[in-house]
Amino acid sequence: GAVVSQHPSWVICKSGTSVKIECRSLDFQATTMFWYRQFPKQSLMLMATSNEGSKATYEQGVEKDKFLINHASLTLSTLTVTSAHPEDSSFYICSAWDHYSYEQYFGPGTRLTVT
Amino acid sequence: DAKTTQPNSMESNEEEPVHLPCNHSTISGTDYIHWYRQLPSQGPEYVIHGLTSNVNNRMASLAIAEDRKSSTLILHRATLRDAAVYYCILRAQNSGGSNYKLTFGKGTLLTVNP
Repeated sequence: GAVVSQHPSWVICKSGTSVKIECRSLDFQATTMFWYRQFPKQSLMLMATSNEGSKATYEQGVEKDKFLINHASLTLSTLTVTSAHPEDSSFYICSAWDHYSYEQYFGPGTRLTVT
Repeated sequence: DAKTTQPNSMESNEEEPVHLPCNHSTISGTDYIHWYRQLPSQGPEYVIHGLTSNVNNRMASLAIAEDRKSSTLILHRATLRDAAVYYCILRAQNSGGSNYKLTFGKGTLLTVNP
C-alpha cells in the first residue's frame, strides 16, 4: 500500500514555543490530507481537513489560530502547534487520501510532549 | 455519519481464529464498511473493506450480513502481532477527497494470548 511519513516521530518542547509537524505522501499525490489527535486510551479525533492550495477546514472546537495547517504541495502538509501548552501534549496523526486507490493511508504519528 | 457499535474488548489465543463483530443498524445503501487497526503507538492501518459481498485479502476476511446491519472481521489465525485496537467505520460510497473523513469510534481492543 501507499506510504505516508511524518516528521518528527516525537518531539519535546517547552511551554509557549511552537512546533511544526510534517506529513508527506511518499509515492502518491494527495490533494487532501487529514490531521487527527489522539489522547492516551482514547480514539482518534479529527482536527482538520487539509486541501492542497486552499485553506484547511477545521472541525468544531479546534482553534485554527492555534493549529496552523499548510498544504503547499501535493505531497506535503504541515501542522504547527503555536504557543504550545502541556494540554496540547498528544499523539498527532496525519492521513492522506489517494484518489487513484480511493483509500486513505495513515502516517506513523508524532508524539508531542509539552513541558 | 452512521454509527457503529463494537465490543470494548475481546481476547483470543494465538493460532486460533478471531471473529470481531460490528453492528451498524443505521447503515445506508451506499455506505462502505471499512476496518482499520491500530497497534500501540502507531497510526491506523487499513485492514479490509466491503459493500455487500464478503471479502477476503491477505490480512483478513470480512463477512457482511445479508441486511448489512452487521459485519464481522475474521482473522483466521491470530498471532501476537495482531494485538491491536480494531475500528469498524462506515464511509459513504460517493465520498471522496475532503468528504472522505473517517469518524473513529472506540473500537475493539484485541488481546492475543500466547
